[in-house]
Amino acid sequence: DQQVKQNSPSLSVQEGRISILNCDYTNSMFDYFLWYKKYPAEGPTFLISISSIKDKNEDGRFTVFLNKSAKHLSLHIVPSQPGDSAVYFCAASLRAGSYQLTFGKGTKLSVIP
Amino acid sequence: EAQVTQNPRYLITVTGKKLTVTCSQNMNHEYMSWYRQDPGLGLRQIYYSMNVEVTDKGDVPEGYKVSRKEKRNFPLILESPSPNQTSLYFCASSLGAVPPYEQYFGPGTRLTVT
Repeated sequence: DQQVKQNSPSLSVQEGRISILNCDYTNSMFDYFLWYKKYPAEGPTFLISISSIKDKNEDGRFTVFLNKSAKHLSLHIVPSQPGDSAVYFCAASLRAGSYQLTFGKGTKLSVIP
Repeated sequence: EAQVTQNPRYLITVTGKKLTVTCSQNMNHEYMSWYRQDPGLGLRQIYYSMNVEVTDKGDVPEGYKVSRKEKRNFPLILESPSPNQTSLYFCASSLGAVPPYEQYFGPGTRLTVT
């Protein structure tokens, strides 16, 4: 049973437009959410995170929104750039000092010049 | 430079031949973890370690062993590899169970078991 779901395996966006990557989760005990970006032949790198006590966190061109009632989060990239083309993983952590991250399957973003 | 290193980066082996993938971090992180990435399945945690001599199973521990004798090293051991362990493996480390739970990943080890 997958607790973190990224239902879109791929997404194509024109350069300069907004990219919206979605993530749903089933476990209401998750209290921290992270997004990682992965380029081919490299390990994932941390992008942005959000605590369950917030509904939005922004870092430059990247914004993560959290809707706890819907158990849904999204990553917005504005404006999208060709260098953003990568696989994006959503991850979630349980509260109270859990050492584990549960990852989604990833969404491959292609930004078309 | 702060980093997580893995060796080897690529390995082709045969069924049943014991192998070890090494992982080392230079950030004095307490927490280390091993993941495997498979097409259509994303990243799945194999084992993790909260500190020296403290390890625990992740979501897919079967067929793997780990040890944490030093803080900087966390090797992954496949005692008798099988073809279903063909995968891309990542080691990761972080300061611990403190927000934002950011983990730093190594470059990956692509393992093929024939």
